[in-house]
Amino acid sequence: DAKTTQPPSMDCAEGRAANLPCNHSTISGNEYVYWYRQIHSQGPQYIIHGLKNNETNEMASLIITEDRKSSTLILPHATLRDTAVYYCIGFNAGNNRKLIWGLGTSLAVNP
Amino acid sequence: DTAVSQTPKYLVTQMGNDKSIKCEQNLGHDTMYWYKQDSKKFLKIMFSYNNKELIINETVPNRFSPKSPDKAHLNLHINSLELGDSAVYFCASSQEGYPETQYFGPGTRLLVL
Repeated sequence: DAKTTQPPSMDCAEGRAANLPCNHSTISGNEYVYWYRQIHSQGPQYIIHGLKNNETNEMASLIITEDRKSSTLILPHATLRDTAVYYCIGFNAGNNRKLIWGLGTSLAVNP
Repeated sequence: DTAVSQTPKYLVTQMGNDKSIKCEQNLGHDTMYWYKQDSKKFLKIMFSYNNKELIINETVPNRFSPKSPDKAHLNLHINSLELGDSAVYFCASSQEGYPETQYFGPGTRLLVL
């Protein structure tokens, strides 16, 4: 499973885009990148995932570099309710099918 | 309707007691999980069941015993509770074939005194 590295904390102004980086330089060719977030006192929530193409859904966009060694989760217009810990997780669709969670990035959206 | 629910939300108990946490999902998923989140906020998988069959059993003390009466329920029974068991326990579920997209419950905050 790819080891992922994220900054421990970030700040963002309300209404601005929040760009959360993740390094996964050891990612293998069939390993997806998953993003979850955990709002304080709640269970984690799935956001988005991707393999090599950029992805977008109603919550966020995921930009994966061409060499797949890093990715960026983009919240286009951050709100106060986006304040949470964001986890970038490598997932191998092989035999070891489980999510390995790091400490994530604590994003504070400020008014 | 709550997709993944857990009871109780809070559990305060004495060392040595036996307690259970219940989890139910109404998403029609085949796979359910138990995670433990410690004070440092690391989220670690404990167990995974698929259609009532245990498929992941991490290095967890055998005081912890999951039970799945049907595929919509996965309960966690803990015997002889210890101080180090204090944590937040999360239940989650996923659709078969998509184990990476998991839906989590609100968590059960266990405090062992």
